[in-house]
Amino acid sequence: DAGVIQSPRHEVTEMGQEVTLRCKPISGHNSLFWYRQTMMRGLELLIYFNNNVPIDDSGMPEDRFSAKMPNASFSTLKIQPSEPRDSAVYFCASSFSRGSGETQYFGPGTRLLVL
Amino acid sequence: AQRVTQPEKLLSVFKGAPVELKCNYSYSGSPELFWYVQYSRQRLQLLLRHISRESIKGFTADLNKGETSFHLKKPFAQEEDSAMYYCAPNRSGFQKLVFGTGTRLLVSP
Repeated sequence: DAGVIQSPRHEVTEMGQEVTLRCKPISGHNSLFWYRQTMMRGLELLIYFNNNVPIDDSGMPEDRFSAKMPNASFSTLKIQPSEPRDSAVYFCASSFSRGSGETQYFGPGTRLLVL
Repeated sequence: AQRVTQPEKLLSVFKGAPVELKCNYSYSGSPELFWYVQYSRQRLQLLLRHISRESIKGFTADLNKGETSFHLKKPFAQEEDSAMYYCAPNRSGFQKLVFGTGTRLLVSP
């Protein structure tokens, strides 16, 4: 298994443009998490899904951010319009959840730079 | 509110010295606790969890409910231990992890 796959690995865009980040979780996992990592705030959970259903999106910064999981093998995180303060590394993670305490497996991250 | 604190942003030690990375949490109920590690140019990965009581790569962590701490320890640091370490409590019955801000460990030869 290649593990959690994220694309693109790097993204440079201009302020105001739409950005779409993609994630393919590990096959068989039923939970998917989106995190944002910055120097100032560390690693923050944005949203997580269980069985393709969003469970907690309290970490999503504002309406410019949206996430979808149309099926068990794919999720997207979209920023529209993007702003320079959105520059960060975005991680996707997945786990096989039986309630709590399961290991999360992280992808390599997408490094986003908004100019 | 659920909160986790890693007071040290950077911890620098010499090879062979003991290491302790501090983690304090503020959680209701009985959380489950994890340490995750991110080596240079690698993915964030689980280092250990307090439920399993394992020692991974020589690291151990003891849950102290009285002090609400889960410090990570290793008696003799190695250069390959240099990495970013995150403490992450998980409220029992929930899947959500709350990561601390992380501590960068630098082990010098």
